[in-house]
Amino acid sequence: QVQLVESGGDLVKPGGSLRLSCAASGFALSDYYMNWIRQAPGKGLEWVSHISGSYDIYYADSVKGRFTISRDNTKNSLYLEMNSLRADDTAVYYCARNWGSFDSWGQGTLVTVSS
Amino acid sequence: EIVLTQSPGTLYLSPGERATLSCRASQSVSSNYLAWYQQQPGQAPRLLIFGASSRATGIPDSFSGSGSGTDFTLTISRLEPEDFAVYYCQQYGSSPWTFGQGTKVEIK
Repeated sequence: QVQLVESGGDLVKPGGSLRLSCAASGFALSDYYMNWIRQAPGKGLEWVSHISGSYDIYYADSVKGRFTISRDNTKNSLYLEMNSLRADDTAVYYCARNWGSFDSWGQGTLVTVSS
Repeated sequence: EIVLTQSPGTLYLSPGERATLSCRASQSVSSNYLAWYQQQPGQAPRLLIFGASSRATGIPDSFSGSGSGTDFTLTISRLEPEDFAVYYCQQYGSSPWTFGQGTKVEIK
């Protein structure tokens, strides 16, 4: 069955960097659009970034220039490189598959930005 | 950017009652590309409805979506104990994809 498993979340200081990974199974990553979506503690959902099968890439304004999404189809994995982290980047980060709506989600990985 | 406003913020209902959740968009949602998600505490969101009115795989028919343009509704015909959760609407008709702020359905 379809499964997405995120990893890489950690406590990091403001200005620091972190790389998140999302391992996919049960489907070929190359066949789908993939996304990162985050949720700050006690808050709603915020779409962060998207990468298509043809490598079209989009970012939310809040992370543009600081975050980089990428994929490795040979490893069936999605990544999010996060630089210049700020306190307001603190959130659970979910990877999600979409073909239109977000039909499959991982369980999330927590990123905490604090000194 | 399309802003989605959900109402009410919290809905207090009893098991067996009908729930009606609203999602209003700041501009028309292209092709009615509007989805609804359910989120239980500590869990990832789960897709309920896509295309404004189509149920996702495995979603019971007690859940239904309706609406078009700028006004959309999620209806739960008869609340089960496991339906008490937070519900989000989301549009995927235009970038950036955006979510509503959520409606919490709580036990009265």
